[in-house]
Amino acid sequence: DGGITQSPKYLFRKEGQNVTLSCEQNLNHDAMYWYRQDPGQGLRLIYYSQIVNDFQKGDIAEGYSVSREKKESFPLTVTSAQKNPTAFYLCASWGKDGYTFGSGTRLTVV
Amino acid sequence: KQEVTQIPAALSVPEGENLVLNCSFTDSAIYNLQWFRQDPGKGLTSLLLIQSSQREQTSGRLNASLDKSSGRSTLYIAASQPGDSATYLCAVREYGNKLVFGAGTILRVKS
Repeated sequence: DGGITQSPKYLFRKEGQNVTLSCEQNLNHDAMYWYRQDPGQGLRLIYYSQIVNDFQKGDIAEGYSVSREKKESFPLTVTSAQKNPTAFYLCASWGKDGYTFGSGTRLTVV
Repeated sequence: KQEVTQIPAALSVPEGENLVLNCSFTDSAIYNLQWFRQDPGKGLTSLLLIQSSQREQTSGRLNASLDKSSGRSTLYIAASQPGDSATYLCAVREYGNKLVFGAGTILRVKS
């Protein structure tokens, strides 16, 4: 079945550590997105990519980095510069039927 | 800057009731509007997508309307069931391919 796979489901980060969240899609979508969700707030856009080898900052890009070397993959790195990384992270892609989301990664700082 | 507001923030209804969730947006220059459902700790599931040229979309017991000029959308759920309990999110897609979300309505349907 076509869809978006995010891994891992749960991730724990120590202070000062970089971690990478995986997002893979087999929908043949050009555009991919990373969102952050905090309790009681709407989703906020971190980064997005409309085509391979190109990406743009969203509303809250500080402390995050991305790459788009392949159409299927859009990994997100949470760097040590991100001071409050504990959140639920959602990856999405966009096609003619609208947006499709992955099942999310819950990141916790320990 | 586009802002999306959802009212009410939370809603609790008895099973079988018909209900309406509201979504408003400040900039009518949108490409489309999409309603999603989110279960606790899960990703988002798309419910209905309304293009800017459309007035409404229907899927089963769900009906979504769009009034772009007034910046409003409603999601109507008929004959609610306990399995409908979830958070419902609306989002508008702006030109430039960015999706702006509301904070959601938490729905609880009591059996």
